[in-house]
Amino acid sequence: DGGITQSPKYLFRKEGQNVTLSCEQNLNHDAMYWYRQDPGQGLRLIYYSQIVNDFQKGDIAEGYSVSREKKESFPLTVTSAQKNPTAFYLCASSMGGAGANVLTFGAGSRLTVL
Amino acid sequence: AQSVTQPDIHITVSEGASLELRCNYSYGATPYLFWYVQSPGQGLQLLLKYFSGDTLVQGIKGFEAEFKRSQSSFNLRKPSVHWSDAAEYFCAVEGGSYIPTFGRGTSLIVHP
Repeated sequence: DGGITQSPKYLFRKEGQNVTLSCEQNLNHDAMYWYRQDPGQGLRLIYYSQIVNDFQKGDIAEGYSVSREKKESFPLTVTSAQKNPTAFYLCASSMGGAGANVLTFGAGSRLTVL
Repeated sequence: AQSVTQPDIHITVSEGASLELRCNYSYGATPYLFWYVQSPGQGLQLLLKYFSGDTLVQGIKGFEAEFKRSQSSFNLRKPSVHWSDAAEYFCAVEGGSYIPTFGRGTSLIVHP
């Protein structure tokens, strides 16, 4: 079955460490997204990519980095520069292009900073 | 710029009662509108979408939503709620940026 796989499901990090969250899709979608979810704040866009080897910052990109070397993969690195990284992270993909982008989401990764 | 407001943080209903979740958007033209549902600890799933045409759209799990241009609203409704409908519901709007913007979500609590 086609879908999006995020790993790990749970991740614990010490302060000052970088961590990378994996996101893989087999839907042949062009566009991929990373959202951060905090209680009561909805989903906030971190980064998005509409094509391989290209990506743009979203609303809260500071302290995060991404790469898009393959169509199927869009990993997110949470760097030590992110001041409050504890959150639920959601990866999504869509066909992309002009308008009507229905997003397919992964099951999420919960990051906790100890 | 596009934005979306979900005025209700929590909604509590009894099982079998009707449900309406509110969503208001801001965008200069007619946007694309979506409702997604999220079960605890999971990703989001599309319930329904509005692109054009009939302003009353049907979705999965017995949900429907009505686009009202005059009120800039896209409220989600269900005639009879089931306990399994308890979840977080997100309204989203997509305009010229082609990137959806999500509301803060409404948590639905269902009493037996």
